[in-house]
Amino acid sequence: EIVLTQSPGTLSLSPGERATLSCRASQSVSRSYLAWYQQKPGQAPRLLIYGISSRATGIPDRFSGSGSGTDFTLTISRPEPEDFAVYYCQQYGSSPWTFGQGTKVEIK
Amino acid sequence: QVQLQESGPGLVKPSETLSLTCTVSGGSMSRYYWSWIRQSPGKGLEWIGYIYYSGNTYYNPSLKSRVTISVDTSKNQFSLKLSSVTAADTAVYYCARVNYYESYFEYWGQGSLLTVSS
Repeated sequence: EIVLTQSPGTLSLSPGERATLSCRASQSVSRSYLAWYQQKPGQAPRLLIYGISSRATGIPDRFSGSGSGTDFTLTISRPEPEDFAVYYCQQYGSSPWTFGQGTKVEIK
Repeated sequence: QVQLQESGPGLVKPSETLSLTCTVSGGSMSRYYWSWIRQSPGKGLEWIGYIYYSGNTYYNPSLKSRVTISVDTSKNQFSLKLSSVTAADTAVYYCARVNYYESYFEYWGQGSLLTVSS
């Protein structure tokens, strides 16, 4: 099973301050099958990024994904107030599909 | 726009079988995989398994011995059964549609909280 480790656990930012979230896999993620989700309190996760760097429909271009192999990054270039939430990475290249433990992005 | 809605009892006793149903609206179930995922404070997000519209299933090995997922395309529903539940199975259970080309979760239900308690 591929273990995904996200860092930091909590990221405190001012609105407009660039956010960089990390996701590290215990082994290489096959076929670039790495996704990112956003979750707000009381809501289901929402797909942001798939295939490492492809934005899902309707996701603004301030969200971008990058990386390869075992190291992946989600960047929020200029966070808006609605972007403060918990973010999860997920690999779907190897069974069982697994998620990271999440990074909370909060307002400083 | 595809929408998914979970339904279930909310409370289950230890050692009993948990049953949840997901109703799909706004689209056909055909040609897609459909999945269950749960989220608990202790274990975070955990993929449970998926079912193809034709009935083929694949389960997380960690839960395989206790899980059954079934589908009823005539009702646009798929279901989860988890047997011999314990307090560790207390979680919010989500149903989701798996993308046709890659296996990420593109649509999610709002989630159903299931508590295991006597």
